[in-house]
Amino acid sequence: DAKTTQPPSMDCAEGRAANLPCNHSTISGNEYVYWYRQIHSQGPQYIIHGLKNNETNEMASLIITEDRKSSTLILPHATLRDTAVYYCIVSYVTGANSKLTFGKGITLSVRP
Amino acid sequence: NAGVMQNPRHLVRRRGQEARLRCSPMKGHSHVYWYRQLPEEGLKFMVYLQKENIIDESGMPKERFSAEFPKEGPSILRIQQVVRGDSAAYFCASSPPGELFFGEGSRLTVL
Repeated sequence: DAKTTQPPSMDCAEGRAANLPCNHSTISGNEYVYWYRQIHSQGPQYIIHGLKNNETNEMASLIITEDRKSSTLILPHATLRDTAVYYCIVSYVTGANSKLTFGKGITLSVRP
Repeated sequence: NAGVMQNPRHLVRRRGQEARLRCSPMKGHSHVYWYRQLPEEGLKFMVYLQKENIIDESGMPKERFSAEFPKEGPSILRIQQVVRGDSAAYFCASSPPGELFFGEGSRLTVL
């Protein structure tokens, strides 16, 4: 699996957009970009994933650069409950003889 | 749809005892993954199983740890002769092809 690089931490104000960057310069053509988060010590929670097109769901948007070497997770209106560790992972599609390898992630702190 | 169910949520064992952690995947999911999270550390992959088969156990310690996912019933992660260093949160995830769905974890404390 390709490796990812994320800043260790960032913060944003409640109600503002949180833009979480991720670099994955060695991503291969069939690898997806996955984002998960872990709130405190709960089980990790799936957020979104994409291959090359931008994706949006009820939680977030995922913007992938044209060369696929980096991506940004956008939480459009961050709340205090979005404070968590966010993991950017590149992987072949899971459940098809593939697994997710978690790095250190980025700690997002949402301030009031 | 019930989510991924793990039990027990908390387990306390003395050194040398055995710990058994159970994971029931979401309905219709036939892929199960186990991860371990030591205190203040990240999630580490342990093992990936499909029904009755171990697909990838590259993250499993060579001794004392074993995992199974029988045709019927939950997946079991078994730790024999536990030591204090086994104290951690153990997370199970299940998957169709696509995203992983995680349980809330089992927290093992070894005294």
